[in-house]
Amino acid sequence: GNSVTQMEGPVTLSEEAFLTINCTYTATGYPSLFWYVQYPGEGLQLLLKATKADDKGSNKGFEATYRKETTSFHLEKGSVQVSDSAVYFCALRHGGATNKLIFGTGTLLAVQP
Amino acid sequence: GAVVSQHPSWVICKSGTSVKIECRSLDFQATTMFWYRQFPKQSLMLMATSNEGSKATYEQGVEKDKFLINHASLTLSTLTVTSAHPEDSSFYICSARASEVRRDSYNEQFFGPGTRLTVL
Repeated sequence: GNSVTQMEGPVTLSEEAFLTINCTYTATGYPSLFWYVQYPGEGLQLLLKATKADDKGSNKGFEATYRKETTSFHLEKGSVQVSDSAVYFCALRHGGATNKLIFGTGTLLAVQP
Repeated sequence: GAVVSQHPSWVICKSGTSVKIECRSLDFQATTMFWYRQFPKQSLMLMATSNEGSKATYEQGVEKDKFLINHASLTLSTLTVTSAHPEDSSFYICSARASEVRRDSYNEQFFGPGTRLTVL
């Protein structure tokens, strides 16, 4: 079945460090891929998405490229800030009417000043 | 735009009582709403898909008689946890999918802030 695997956290970085959170997926066909962010005490917010192979999603300095050959959608940011501290979820949505999202386990990012 | 609210944001109840959680789409109509459950330090697990005017579709392993879902209008879905027990304590999150085509967000789910349920 469809699944998403992302690196376990927590990831602890100093401010202005480079961030990579790995995400790989298993799915038939061509799913859409997403990164969501959850700040403490809040619901999920869509951070970025890509709907087809080689697409690059980007937002707020974060980027992720849909790599079909490696079934990956790694999240990157060149210089993290304390305000980026949150839990990041990778997710896929397969085609069809149900629009179900399948989430990874989430990665906690803690950025220290 | 595309705001989803949940009420209450947190609730504490005694074992054996029922608790209702509301999910509202504030500025759009949602034909479909989803209910998720999130355990501490774990991912979101889809519980059920709620379609306006019809019965909810529950995921495998989710008791439909325990988690009652009603999607009576295009802006409101409710989740009722019946005869709650301590193991039902969790963070419940809803999301809504817009009925109409929205630019740059077609087919996207918009998430509520979640409801923390604690059963004593």
